[in-house]
Amino acid sequence: DTAVSQTPKYLVTQMGNDKSIKCEQNLGHDTMYWYKQDSKKFLKIMFSYNNKELIINETVPNRFSPKSPDKAHLNLHINSLELGDSAVYFCASSQGQYSGNTIYFGEGSWLTVV
Amino acid sequence: GQNIDQPTEMTATEGAIVQINCTYQTSGFNGLFWYQQHAGEAPTFLSYNVLDGLEEKGRFSSFLSRSKGYSYLLLKELQMKDSASYLCAVRDPGGKLIFGQGTELSVKP
Repeated sequence: DTAVSQTPKYLVTQMGNDKSIKCEQNLGHDTMYWYKQDSKKFLKIMFSYNNKELIINETVPNRFSPKSPDKAHLNLHINSLELGDSAVYFCASSQGQYSGNTIYFGEGSWLTVV
Repeated sequence: GQNIDQPTEMTATEGAIVQINCTYQTSGFNGLFWYQQHAGEAPTFLSYNVLDGLEEKGRFSSFLSRSKGYSYLLLKELQMKDSASYLCAVRDPGGKLIFGQGTELSVKP
């Protein structure tokens, strides 16, 4: 029943490793997002895809690479993990990218880099 | 530039009313959202304003003044379960949702 689901929920990994977080939405939405929430609880957008096309790409290191195989999935791959990458990563989706379209968030993936 | 300001913390008593303010300065405006986030959980949608005025939804109301770059979230008949972080977010013309740092509300008995 979960509308936006992401896995894994918790991830502890060593510096330098490569890891992926998967996201799926069953709401039939066209737009998907990745947000990062740091230790100060600031939620910042990283990427947005609309119908599998990249539409928002914030100033994010190119170690982060999103992939959208279809409009229901948006995965996030991170290469050469650094300590500063430790955060909660939220996947989200909305019907469209503009105006009143509510953004629905997944439950978050807690990434800890040691 | 984009700037969204809200108080970091607030404390209120069970049964009372609390108002959480949000001021914004953004390049373009396509609506303002309020989200609630309990510790360790996902943000959940509370309200959306795009025109000036008050939107009421049960115990929660949200107000917007576009000319003043100002919104507030009003919570009535506070309950312990309302203890959470409340996030103000503005949607820019490009579709980006820009969040404030959140207001941590503690409801005390």
